[in-house]
Amino acid sequence: EAAVTQSPRSKVAVTGGKVTLSCHQTNNHDYMYWYRQDTGHGLRLIHYSYVADSTEKGDIPDGYKASRPSQENFSLILELASLSQTAVYFCASSGTGGTEVFFGKGTRLTVV
Amino acid sequence: QQQVRQSPQSLTVWEGETAILNCSYEDSTFDYFPWYWQFPRESPALLIAIRPVSNKKEDGRFTIFFNKREKKLSLHITDSQPGDSATYFCAAGTQVVGQLTFGRGTRLQVYA
Repeated sequence: EAAVTQSPRSKVAVTGGKVTLSCHQTNNHDYMYWYRQDTGHGLRLIHYSYVADSTEKGDIPDGYKASRPSQENFSLILELASLSQTAVYFCASSGTGGTEVFFGKGTRLTVV
Repeated sequence: QQQVRQSPQSLTVWEGETAILNCSYEDSTFDYFPWYWQFPRESPALLIAIRPVSNKKEDGRFTIFFNKREKKLSLHITDSQPGDSATYFCAAGTQVVGQLTFGRGTRLQVYA
């Protein structure tokens, strides 16, 4: 069973603070992704990675950094959290292109 | 600019009816089109997918119809059941790279 584990599952952060969302996959997948979900906007890609030690910008990278220290782990970093970054964040993984993307259970981030 | 568009935004049908969800895309390089469904407070999960080598993909009560010339596809759910009530996301990607572009979703409600 494909597994993508996110931590924390929910977090309240203060404006201007640093937030790190972690993701771990046991699928032996090359690709990992961070998506953001807001009501009415579907899923939007923030950053992705297809190999360890390398990350790529997605469609909405501003205000976010990513880190892929190993094939299994992928982190999303908000250096200066803002109110507009309140959302649900999904980590996901997949093998090669054109294959199923497996999502984690999501992290609900509230910035106050 | 939205690369993947979905309509309608929400849809209500009665149990036993056929629900039709529409999707269109801009980028002609897309060659992989999965549909994901998401139940409240859960993560998206793959429902069914199609590649342009065929114009139809069937899996039980779920069928994708694909029109490459018009860059349109639709998901037909026959004999709709209350348990089908969810948000359905059309996505597009390529078989070269892993990331998917998602539409904003169609919220389907099936009444008994």
